[in-house]
Amino acid sequence: GESVGLHLPTLSVQEGDNSIINCAYSNSASDYFIWYKQESGKGPQFIIDIRSNMDKRQGQRVTVLLNKTVKHLSLQIAATQPGDSAVYFCAGGRGVSNFGNEKLTFGTGTRLTIIP
Amino acid sequence: DSGVTQTPKHLITATGQRVTLRCSPRSGDLSVYWYQQSLDQGLQFLIQYYNGEERAKGNILERFSAQQFPDLHSELNLSSLELGDSALYFCASSAAPNRDTEAFFGQGTRLTVV
Repeated sequence: GESVGLHLPTLSVQEGDNSIINCAYSNSASDYFIWYKQESGKGPQFIIDIRSNMDKRQGQRVTVLLNKTVKHLSLQIAATQPGDSAVYFCAGGRGVSNFGNEKLTFGTGTRLTIIP
Repeated sequence: DSGVTQTPKHLITATGQRVTLRCSPRSGDLSVYWYQQSLDQGLQFLIQYYNGEERAKGNILERFSAQQFPDLHSELNLSSLELGDSALYFCASSAAPNRDTEAFFGQGTRLTVV
């Protein structure tokens, strides 16, 4: 079955440095990917997504890179701040339908800790 | 605040019991999704409703069921509870029917089965 996983369960980064969170997926049919941020006691929050016809997408302080050859994507956070401390999930899906019933498969998450 | 409201926030119940989790989507959102988050499984998609009808089913057990009402709120019913059902249950909603990449999550209901 489809699986999406993460290389590292935890990551500590000095405040102000850039961080990179990695994710691997197994289903080459996945045609879009999403990164979510989950702070303690809160639900996941959408950060950025990318379609499989792209290899890079940038948002505010975040960049997602997609390498379909090795089925790998990463989330780069620039100039990390204390508020970036959270668990980050990647999720993959396929078969975009008119009714948005894609079944997202989530990885288990990477806990990012920003060191002051 | 995502605009998605889940109640209750915490629930403790005994094995074999039945509970109902409630979700109010963001105003105007027609699609509701339920997810289960446990420590060892991460976020697992359970089921999706769109405008009152079931649209997609994920890893939802037969002991679990859900529905979406005419006012668009949704309920997730969990019965014959087992210890392994202890988890965070999230509801998410989205406005656009053709994309769930813009889904907004509630704060979750933490279910503890003892």
